[in-house]
Amino acid sequence: EAGVAQSPRYKIIEKRQSVAFWCNPISGHATLYWYQQILGQGPKLLIQFQNNGVVDDSQLPKDRFSAERLKGVDSTLKIQPAKLEDSAVYLCASSLGLHSGANVLTFGAGSRLTVL
Amino acid sequence: KNEVEQSPQNLTAQEGEFITINCSYSVGISALHWLQQHPGGGIVSLFMLSSGKKKHGRLIATINIQEKHSSLHITASHPRDSAVYICAVNPLSNTGNQFYFGTGTSLTVIP
Repeated sequence: EAGVAQSPRYKIIEKRQSVAFWCNPISGHATLYWYQQILGQGPKLLIQFQNNGVVDDSQLPKDRFSAERLKGVDSTLKIQPAKLEDSAVYLCASSLGLHSGANVLTFGAGSRLTVL
Repeated sequence: KNEVEQSPQNLTAQEGEFITINCSYSVGISALHWLQQHPGGGIVSLFMLSSGKKKHGRLIATINIQEKHSSLHITASHPRDSAVYICAVNPLSNTGNQFYFGTGTSLTVIP
């Protein structure tokens, strides 16, 4: 089966500019996650979708970050305006979304953002 | 305090050595995951387990639910095992599908 697709792989922007990342999860995966991973740290959840509804966006900096998953399939994460501290890898992951909680996460390759 | 703690943070080993990475967690869980992240690469799921032990090639993962502890072992380590190993758990919750991550153990295997 095809994996989780993300683009772009790399992006360099100046602070105050905007950027958008795209993710296409594994077909049939109901749950989609966006994580931010800063060098040397574990992934930090930004937002979790179940189909096209938001399950958890409590750690999403909503003044500058937004995400959508309009048709319950692919998703876009936007940052506007970017700050220096947003430099990180943005990981998209998906899972079947079983309510048992024992779900295997499949990650995309990540989008590495550098803000200058 | 992080719900998932890993040790050590960094580990350097000689090729061929037996390696152990530890993970402790503080919440009730439905499953624990071991993930591998190569430099510049994405994250790959190695194991998902909720009890006992699993083995895949040179990798072995064990979990003790009562002690809230898991270990990842690598036998006959090789330089290609150099990566960051991340422990993650599915906490018992009504929402389901949540994951708590450790900060990872960076492993370097020297030839």
